[in-house]
Amino acid sequence: QSALTQPASVSGSPGQSITISCTGTSSDIGNYKYVSWYQQHPGKAPKLMIYDVSDRPSGVSNRFSGSKSGNTASLTISGLRAEDEADYYCSSYTTTNTLVLFGGGTKVTVL
Amino acid sequence: EVQLVQSGAEVKKPGESLRISCKASGYSFTSSWITWVRQMPGKGLEWMGRIDPSDSYSDYSPSSEGHITISVDGSINTAYLQWSSLKASDTAIYYCARHGGGVSGTYYFDPWGQGTPVTVSS
Repeated sequence: QSALTQPASVSGSPGQSITISCTGTSSDIGNYKYVSWYQQHPGKAPKLMIYDVSDRPSGVSNRFSGSKSGNTASLTISGLRAEDEADYYCSSYTTTNTLVLFGGGTKVTVL
Repeated sequence: EVQLVQSGAEVKKPGESLRISCKASGYSFTSSWITWVRQMPGKGLEWMGRIDPSDSYSDYSPSSEGHITISVDGSINTAYLQWSSLKASDTAIYYCARHGGGVSGTYYFDPWGQGTPVTVSS
């Protein structure tokens, strides 16, 4: 089963909004609400930012939001800050021969 | 505080066996599945498998099936990832993570352990 498809990189200036896409299929994103997003800074463990498509864990800034349309999920970061520079991964439940898929990751650069 | 603490870095030779651990605290260990994720050098995250600590039922990804074993010891709230014969391609950082929400049947991961680097080299 192929990974979910994310752009390799996205960049923006401080204060701007950026959106990262994550494309799957009807076996995963398209038919289930189990999409989550993770932030990973270099040398650190991943951190949950969004779960179940659009829910935000306690303690995560409301500048982070998630959505889904068809087979594509999206993570939007508004009011971009220097500390948002990191790798971001999407993940989804899947009905294929594995339980969970990750995207290939998107490197966010704050210009 | 819910916390997962993993065992330290390992350096092994091809063909050797290895077991790394993930000790949970701050919640009821049997209430949430534990998942293992691999991150090869400079690469993305890859789901390897998960275990239900309440009954030790486990699922594996196709690429992991037959090469790793995931287990738990409920008496010490610890999950394990084990290889019987390591390959150079097993060199990676391995993370354990709790399936979120404090219940089983969720498909997001929170929190994550700090990661265990494994190097396999002759």
